[in-house]
Amino acid sequence: GQQVMQIPQYQHVQEGEDFTTYCNSSTTLSNIQWYKQRPGGHPVFLIQLVKSGEVKKQKRLTFQFGEAKKNSSLHITATQTTDVGTYFCAGSRSRGGATNKLIFGTGTLLAVQP
Amino acid sequence: NAGVMQNPRHLVRRRGQEARLRCSPMKGHSHVYWYRQLPEEGLKFMVYLQKENIIDESGMPKERFSAEFPKEGPSILRIQQVVRGDSAAYFCASSQTGVAYGYTFGSGTRLTVV
Repeated sequence: GQQVMQIPQYQHVQEGEDFTTYCNSSTTLSNIQWYKQRPGGHPVFLIQLVKSGEVKKQKRLTFQFGEAKKNSSLHITATQTTDVGTYFCAGSRSRGGATNKLIFGTGTLLAVQP
Repeated sequence: NAGVMQNPRHLVRRRGQEARLRCSPMKGHSHVYWYRQLPEEGLKFMVYLQKENIIDESGMPKERFSAEFPKEGPSILRIQQVVRGDSAAYFCASSQTGVAYGYTFGSGTRLTVV
C-alpha cells in the first residue's frame, strides 16, 4: 500500500539554526499537506500544496512540493523554541473523483535548545 | 464556533472491557475520519465515515473494532475486549467535503488499557 516516509525522525537544533524535514511518498500524490503536533497535543493543519513544483511560504516556514509530486519538504529559518513539535506531512491520491483519506508520514520531531 | 469535540479526553480500561470513544464534528461537517497514534509513532488511518455510512474502513482491525456515524449524534469508535496493545491516542478529524483538505482534528482520546 501507499507509504509516506519522513527524514530525519528526530532533529535537535540550537535556537536560531535552520531546520528541514523531507517527505517521500511511494506513489504520486494529488496534494501534500503539512501538520504540526505539539507534545501532548493534536495535529494542527499548516498548509496544502497541490501543484507540481509549488513553493509556499508562511513567515519563517517554506514548503515545497516536488516536480514529480512524490516528495515535499518543510524548511524553518531561524528556529525558535515555539517551533518545538512533530511535523507530519500527509498525502492523498485522487481516484477519478472519489474521495480519499490522508496518509500521514512518519513525522519529524524537532527539539529546539534555547 | 466549537471545533471537533472528542470525549473523553482520557479513558482507562481493564483488559477485556469495552471502550467507546465519541467524536462530534465541526458544525456543518458531515465527513469524519478516525486515526490512531501509538506512542512515539505517526497517525494511522482507521476509518472514514459520512452520516450513516462507512466509506472506507481499510485501516480498521477486522475484529473488536467498529465505528458508526448516526444521523443524529456523534460518531462512535467502539473497541470491544480491549487489550494492552490498544493503548494509544485516538484522533478524530472532520471535513466539510470528502476532498482531503485541511483536516480539523479533535484533541483526541488517550486510551490506556491496564
